[in-house]
Amino acid sequence: QKEVEQDPGPLSVPEGAIVSLNCTYSNSAFQYFMWYRQYSRKGPELLMYTYSSGNKEDGRFTAQVDKSSKYISLFIRDSQPSDSATYLCAMSARQFYFGTGTSLTVIP
Amino acid sequence: DTAVSQTPKYLVTQMGNDKSIKCEQNLGHDTMYWYKQDSKKFLKIMFSYNNKELIINETVPNRFSPKSPDKAHLNLHINSLELGDSAVYFCASSQDFGTGGYEQYFGPGTRLTVT
Repeated sequence: QKEVEQDPGPLSVPEGAIVSLNCTYSNSAFQYFMWYRQYSRKGPELLMYTYSSGNKEDGRFTAQVDKSSKYISLFIRDSQPSDSATYLCAMSARQFYFGTGTSLTVIP
Repeated sequence: DTAVSQTPKYLVTQMGNDKSIKCEQNLGHDTMYWYKQDSKKFLKIMFSYNNKELIINETVPNRFSPKSPDKAHLNLHINSLELGDSAVYFCASSQDFGTGGYEQYFGPGTRLTVT
């Protein structure tokens, strides 16, 4: 079983839609939970991070962590074409583990 | 001013050759990493390194070796290149993990093609 599971998509939504991206994990030692965005032919860039359980909001982005279910989510409100990218979840105890990424396309 | 830089951006070489990829960070971070991203976009850690500890992913062949001349640089040497080594290699850095080094900054990647 992989440490982190993420549905690769692809996911295609109309502009303005709410997007929900999810990951599950198996290692209960994970404490830091992150979401990265990767545009084509670029390196990943950190979008949001959360320590332990709870919610965190930053503009149109909300990250949720449910440690009891070993489940994390990223919500994007009012999605824009510029949000079209691959979204990678990541988590760490001492080492970092990434999901496989979900490819998102927001159609104008 | 680039935070994490890598050279070269593209590398095409033949099987059996030895090559190096260079990485530099100007963020003052203590820990640096090498990742491999395959054609399916799966990002897999190869090494993490600071001045105290080298952590090697046990699945990485010993043909791959990190070399750090100083805290700001972590180069990746690859010996006897194989077709399966073709991928995008990313360098990253973060603060020392003990101080909450959850935020990694990635370089632009080096696209390696082995023919």
